[in-house]
Amino acid sequence: DGGITQSPKYLFRKEGQNVTLSCEQNLNHDAMYWYRQDPGQGLRLIYYSQIVNDFQKGDIAEGYSVSREKKESFPLTVTSAQKNPTAFYLCASSLRGEQFFGPGTRLTVL
Amino acid sequence: RKEVEQDPGPFNVPEGATVAFNCTYSNSASQSFFWYRQDCRKEPKLLMSVYSSGNEDGRFTAQLNRASQYISLLIRDSKLSDSATYLCVVNAGNNRKLIWGLGTSLAVNP
Repeated sequence: DGGITQSPKYLFRKEGQNVTLSCEQNLNHDAMYWYRQDPGQGLRLIYYSQIVNDFQKGDIAEGYSVSREKKESFPLTVTSAQKNPTAFYLCASSLRGEQFFGPGTRLTVL
Repeated sequence: RKEVEQDPGPFNVPEGATVAFNCTYSNSASQSFFWYRQDCRKEPKLLMSVYSSGNEDGRFTAQLNRASQYISLLIRDSKLSDSATYLCVVNAGNNRKLIWGLGTSLAVNP
């Protein structure tokens, strides 16, 4: 059945290491998004892509990178330049206006 | 002024009660409006889109007032399972970015 998958659900990394979060969708949606959510806070947009091979920075892109080589996939790399990477990362996709989310990845940097 | 503002609550109501949430937005060019619910430590899930004429889905009614730039959500006959955070979401004008409110927390008590 159709949906958005993110893996892994929980991820632990040492400070200074880059880490890549996976996001895959089989909904045939053009647009995909990455957000982070911190405890008690709202969703903040990191990057988004409206079409394959194109993406734009969101509000908090520093320390992150993305690629969109395939319509179904939009991986996010959290680099060592991100000062406070521990957070709940959510991937979403959309066809028109509403966005649909994967289950999220909780990243903890030790 | 925040782009999307919501009363954070918490709203504590007994089962069976009717509860209403309001949300204001600042971008008069916004065209799409949504309510999402988010359970603790889960991803947001689309509850309903909000149309100019107002719309109803079972116990849930959403209304849009473009002149005053506010959106409302009414929940009738509250159930324990309605306990969650309700997010007001507005599109950022002529692109596909969404602006997220911080959410209103609802606790329905037995």
